[in-house]
Amino acid sequence: GESVGLHLPTLSVQEGDNSIINCAYSNSASDYFIWYKQESGKGPQFIIDIRSNMDKRQGQRVTVLLNKTVKHLSLQIAATQPGDSAVYFCAETLQGGSEKLVFGKGTKLTVNP
Amino acid sequence: NAGVMQNPRHLVRRRGQEARLRCSPMKGHSHVYWYRQLPEEGLKFMVYLQKENIIDESGMPKERFSAEFPKEGPSILRIQQVVRGDSAAYFCASSPPGPYEQYFGPGTRLTVT
Repeated sequence: GESVGLHLPTLSVQEGDNSIINCAYSNSASDYFIWYKQESGKGPQFIIDIRSNMDKRQGQRVTVLLNKTVKHLSLQIAATQPGDSAVYFCAETLQGGSEKLVFGKGTKLTVNP
Repeated sequence: NAGVMQNPRHLVRRRGQEARLRCSPMKGHSHVYWYRQLPEEGLKFMVYLQKENIIDESGMPKERFSAEFPKEGPSILRIQQVVRGDSAAYFCASSPPGPYEQYFGPGTRLTVT
């Protein structure tokens, strides 16, 4: 069935380190993926997206990697800052479908000063 | 450019009452999505609407829940005869047509007492 899961529910890093958050998806037909950041009491905030015809996309301090062979998605955050502390969700959708997003449970990132 | 707006931000209802949640999409966005989030969990898709049309309601409970997106005015998620299990954060997202990123509002936190 449709599901997006994450390998680790929590991640703790030191300020300045790089963070890697992983995500496994089950629907091989999914072709659009998004990473969201959610701070406590707020709505999800778009970070970066990637389409299935790409395997890597870079933004400001963030990189998303997509491995379709093993249905794995990762978010890399460079030089992690205290303001990066939040819950991170990956989400998938299928082009030509209803465009609904299927979310995983999230990884809570804590950045220690 | 105002983002997605939701109101109220917090809503308290007694069991059996009705809850009405409102969502105004971003300017220029014609697609609206509703998601529900339980504590410590990811978001679960409920319904996807375009103006005057329900495109996908596969995530909506069969009873007590309804949604609309009229030609004029905000999208409304309506929950009749609320029960304690309806207590959750309800998020609205909007996007332009196509498989683009969905932008989320701040959410409505519904508490049923």
